[in-house]
Amino acid sequence: DGGITQSPKYLFRKEGQNVTLSCEQNLNHDAMYWYRQDPGQGLRLIYYSQIVNDFQKGDIAEGYSVSREKKESFPLTVTSAQKNPTAFYLCASSGSLNQPQHFGDGTRLSIL
Amino acid sequence: RKEVEQDPGPFNVPEGATVAFNCTYSNSASQSFFWYRQDCRKEPKLLMSVYSSGNEDGRFTAQLNRASQYISLLIRDSKLSDSATYLCVVLRGDKLIFGTGTRLQVFP
Repeated sequence: DGGITQSPKYLFRKEGQNVTLSCEQNLNHDAMYWYRQDPGQGLRLIYYSQIVNDFQKGDIAEGYSVSREKKESFPLTVTSAQKNPTAFYLCASSGSLNQPQHFGDGTRLSIL
Repeated sequence: RKEVEQDPGPFNVPEGATVAFNCTYSNSASQSFFWYRQDCRKEPKLLMSVYSSGNEDGRFTAQLNRASQYISLLIRDSKLSDSATYLCVVLRGDKLIFGTGTRLQVFP
C-alpha cells in the first residue's frame, strides 16, 4: 500500500542527546514536510523540502535539522539545542507545494 | 491575531443533528483551502478541499467566502463516528497554515 511511514512511534530523549525521527514515503511525492503539534495548538512547520537535496526552514526550525538525500526519505534530527522537544511530530508529503498534504501517523517525543 | 482562527468548541450534538463550523483567515493572498479531520492522538487526514463555488461530499458541504475571508463546513445527519477535531487549513504561498481545530462530540 502507498503511504507515509514514520518511526519510531514513541521516542524518549535524554538531556544533551540528539535524536533522529524517520519519515519514508512511497507515494512518489516531490514535497515533504515536518510539523510539530503541541496540545491546544495548531501544527507548526519545522522544515520542508520541494525536491531532493533541497530544503527550507519553516516557522520553528531552530534546534532541528533535516536532510533530503533521497526522494522517499526526509529524516528529522532533534538536536540538544531544542530545549522543549516534547511534542507530537508529524511528517507529510504532497505531489507539489500547492497540493493537499498527506500525513504519517506521527512520532511522540518525550524527555527522560 | 492568528492567521487562521477557529472556535475551539467543543460542539456537543446528538446523532442526526446538523452542525456547522466556521473558520476565518486574515491573509487575502491565501490561495487554497482545506478541511482536515484529526482523531485524538492521531494524524490529520484530508476531509475535503474547499472550492470557490462550494462543494459537497456526501453529508459534508464546504463553502468559501473570499470577500469575507471565511470558510465553512456543514455536517448533516451527524454520526457518532464524526466525533473528532476539524482543522481549517489555508495555503499561502508555499506553506499550509493550520487552525487549532474545532472539536466535535456527537452523542447517542
